[in-house]
Amino acid sequence: EIVLTQSPATLSVSPGERATLSCRASQSVKNYLAWYQQKPGQAPRLLIYDASNRATGIPARFSGSGSGTDFTLTISSLEPEDFAVYYCQQRYSWPLTFGGGTKVEI
Amino acid sequence: EVQLLESGGGLVQPGGSLRLSCAASGFTFSNYAMSWVRQAPGKGLEWVSAISGSGGTYYADSVKGRFTISRDNSKNTLYLQMNSLRAEDTALYYCAKDPTKSDYYMDVWGKGTTVTVSS
Repeated sequence: EIVLTQSPATLSVSPGERATLSCRASQSVKNYLAWYQQKPGQAPRLLIYDASNRATGIPARFSGSGSGTDFTLTISSLEPEDFAVYYCQQRYSWPLTFGGGTKVEI
Repeated sequence: EVQLLESGGGLVQPGGSLRLSCAASGFTFSNYAMSWVRQAPGKGLEWVSAISGSGGTYYADSVKGRFTISRDNSKNTLYLQMNSLRAEDTALYYCAKDPTKSDYYMDVWGKGTTVTVSS
């Protein structure tokens, strides 16, 4: 099973600042990695797929990069609605796995 | 509008069974892989199972042999039969749609149905 480790667990930032979230895989997942955003009481929302492709309707301030074992989600300038928990997920091999999440808070 | 609506959750005793359903609308259901993902209270996301449009199935080790995923393309409905339930299966269960035929990402999610395993 591929283990995804997200860091930091919690990221404290201010609106307008840049946020950089990390996801490290225990073995290469090539570029088969997605990022999701989850707000309290809501279902997750797909942000990025295949490491760097924005999903439909996702603002340009969200960007993804990386390949192999190291991936980054960058939020260029945080809006109030971006404070949430972010998860990465790999689809390179079965079983599919999620990272433990990074909470972005004020 | 693409929608997923889960049902079938509830309170069940350890060792019991439940069948979850997910009614899909707004897209050609048979063309897309589907997944079940769960979230224990206060915890992160855990992938449970997936099924391709043609019926190929995949499971997390934690549920293999106890859970069975299936789909009825004529009814646009996804199912999760859960047997031999354990306390650690307590969670909010989401069904989710693949963005393509078989990418095994999740681009549309339902609101979830809650399963509580307790005596």
